[in-house]
Amino acid sequence: GNSVTQMEGPVTLSEEAFLTINCTYTATGYPSLFWYVQYPGEGLQLLLKATKADDKGSNKGFEATYRKETTSFHLEKGSVQVSDSAVYFCALFEGAQKLVFGQGTRLTINP
Amino acid sequence: DADVTQTPRNRITKTGKRIMLECSQTKGHDRMYWYRQDPGLGLRLIYYSFDVKDINKGEISDGYSVSRQAQAKFSLSLESAIPNQTALYFCATSDRNRGSYEQYFGPGTRLTVT
Repeated sequence: GNSVTQMEGPVTLSEEAFLTINCTYTATGYPSLFWYVQYPGEGLQLLLKATKADDKGSNKGFEATYRKETTSFHLEKGSVQVSDSAVYFCALFEGAQKLVFGQGTRLTINP
Repeated sequence: DADVTQTPRNRITKTGKRIMLECSQTKGHDRMYWYRQDPGLGLRLIYYSFDVKDINKGEISDGYSVSRQAQAKFSLSLESAIPNQTALYFCATSDRNRGSYEQYFGPGTRLTVT
C-alpha cells in the first residue's frame, strides 16, 4: 500500500540555520503531497501542498518540491526561527480519498 | 471560537470501561475523521465518514466504534478500554468541494487507560 517515510528526529538547530526534513513516499499512482505542522498543544494544520510532479509548494518561508523521479518531497527553510519549533508531518493523498501520514519529525530551534 | 472542538481534552480511565470522545465542528464540512497519534508512529486513521450515512473503517478500527449523529457531530467510542489505547486522539474535518486533503484538526483528546 501507499506509505510515507520521514527522516527520524528529533532535529535541533540554532536560530537562522538552514533546515531540511527529508520525506520519501511509495504510491501506486500519482498522489498529491503535503506537509502538515503541529505546534505544541495543538492539532495539525496544513503548511503547504503540491499536486503534481515538479510543483513547488511554499508557505511561511518553507518550500518543498514534488520530485517524481526520486519519490521525494523534502521540506526546506533557509533561516529558521524559534517559532518554527513544532512537529512536521509529510503526507500523501491517495485515490481512496484519505491522507496517509509519515511518522512525524520533531524540530526544536534554539535561540 | 474554535471551528473543530473535542471533548474531553484529557481523560483517565480504567481498563474495561466504556468511554466516548466527542467531536463537533462549525465549518459546515461534510467529511469527518478520527485519528490516533502515538510517538514515532504518526497519525493513524481509525474511522472516517463522508456524510451522515457513510461511515468507513480506517486502518486501525478494531476496538473502536463511531457514530455520526449529525453533519456537525462525530463521536468515537471505546467499548472496553485497554492500556494500549492510551494515545492522543484527533478529530478532523474536510470539505469535499475544496479537496478533502486539506483537513482541519481539533486540539486533541489525551486518553490514558490504566
